[in-house]
Amino acid sequence: EPEVTQTPSHQVTQMGQEVILRCVPISNHLYFYWYRQILGQKVEFLVSFYNNEISEKSEIFDDQFSVERPDGSNFTLKIRSTKLEDSAMYFCATLGQGVKDINEKLFFGSGTQLSVL
Amino acid sequence: GQNIDQPTEMTATEGAIVQINCTYQTSGFNGLFWYQQHAGEAPTFLSYNVLDGLEEKGRFSSFLSRSKGYSYLLLKELQMKDSASYLCVPLDSGGYNKLIFGAGTRLAVHP
Repeated sequence: EPEVTQTPSHQVTQMGQEVILRCVPISNHLYFYWYRQILGQKVEFLVSFYNNEISEKSEIFDDQFSVERPDGSNFTLKIRSTKLEDSAMYFCATLGQGVKDINEKLFFGSGTQLSVL
Repeated sequence: GQNIDQPTEMTATEGAIVQINCTYQTSGFNGLFWYQQHAGEAPTFLSYNVLDGLEEKGRFSSFLSRSKGYSYLLLKELQMKDSASYLCVPLDSGGYNKLIFGAGTRLAVHP
């Protein structure tokens, strides 16, 4: 079964520091997403990425956040000057375009638990 | 924009059948996903409906009525491991650009 890989699984950082969360999408997928989930709350959309550029972003995704594909395979989320309220699980998800092919649906990585102290 | 309505919580007995309903309002429609999420884990794909009707996959089935803005997820022969949140995710005219998850339905299966 196809798999989205996220690293690290856990990240602890000091308030004000920068963090980079990494994701390796499924190889033939075209759409990439970052979501976050604060403990006990729903999964929140942050940003979508298609054709090497941002296609949609939420109001949460302000100037503190950025995404890129630095080497054509990895997909990263950078959070600058982290705040306590950035503590959450961050999920990367990728999507193919097939309607019938189950392997091209939206798949999530196992997440990075970010703790800002 | 979109509006998703699901019951917040449901309980059911092991071995029983449960139906989780979802009504939605979207600007345009490009299909609907159902996801399962266990506490502390990532959502996992269950089903995708784009045409009206019932899609059956083992113990899980998903139904869609586009004209009514309605879908349901049917879980048969419930097992304790089915205790999780179930998330209905419609795609609006934005298509794949913005997949929004609601709070979902938290299902508790008891012996």
